[in-house]
Amino acid sequence: DAKTTQPPSMDCAEGRAANLPCNHSTISGNEYVYWYRQIHSQGPQYIIHGLKNNETNEMASLIITEDRKSSTLILPHATLRDTAVYYCIVRGKNFGNEKLTFGTGTRLTIIP
Amino acid sequence: GAVVSQHPSWVICKSGTSVKIECRSLDFQATTMFWYRQFPKQSLMLMATSNEGSKATYEQGVEKDKFLINHASLTLSTLTVTSAHPEDSSFYICSARRDRGRMQYFGPGTRLTVT
Repeated sequence: DAKTTQPPSMDCAEGRAANLPCNHSTISGNEYVYWYRQIHSQGPQYIIHGLKNNETNEMASLIITEDRKSSTLILPHATLRDTAVYYCIVRGKNFGNEKLTFGTGTRLTIIP
Repeated sequence: GAVVSQHPSWVICKSGTSVKIECRSLDFQATTMFWYRQFPKQSLMLMATSNEGSKATYEQGVEKDKFLINHASLTLSTLTVTSAHPEDSSFYICSARRDRGRMQYFGPGTRLTVT
């Protein structure tokens, strides 16, 4: 699986959009980009995933660059409950290889 | 849907004893379950992958005789930490995947403290 690079930490004001970047320059054509988050002392929570098109759900939007070498997770109106570590993970679509490899992630702190 | 539970949520045991952690998929059948370990301020590290009815596949560096994994049914996997020592104190998290599904759903984690 391709490796990812994320900033170690970010702050965002409550109510503003939080934009979390992720670089995955070695991503291959059949690999998806997944985002999970982990609130302190809890298990990871799935947020969103995508292949090459931008995606949006009730939690967030995922913007993937045209060359697919980077992506941005957008939390449109951040709340204090969004404070967590956010993980960007790249994984193949082969059903035989479903391991999720977690990097160090970005610690997002929402400031009141 | 897609809820994964773990029991217990926290456990304290004495050094040298064994402790069992259960992972259950509550509303779906999980062909594959995964066990992770997370030390304070570190990321999740995959320990092993288990498929229902077969032996678990352990990641490099994980002692399979120390961390016994049983995936006897499509809704239950157990992790037994044998002869636990203080260095085994950690946050253990399981996840489960539906049959031929791509998504992994994570449990809430079990905090193990070995004294």
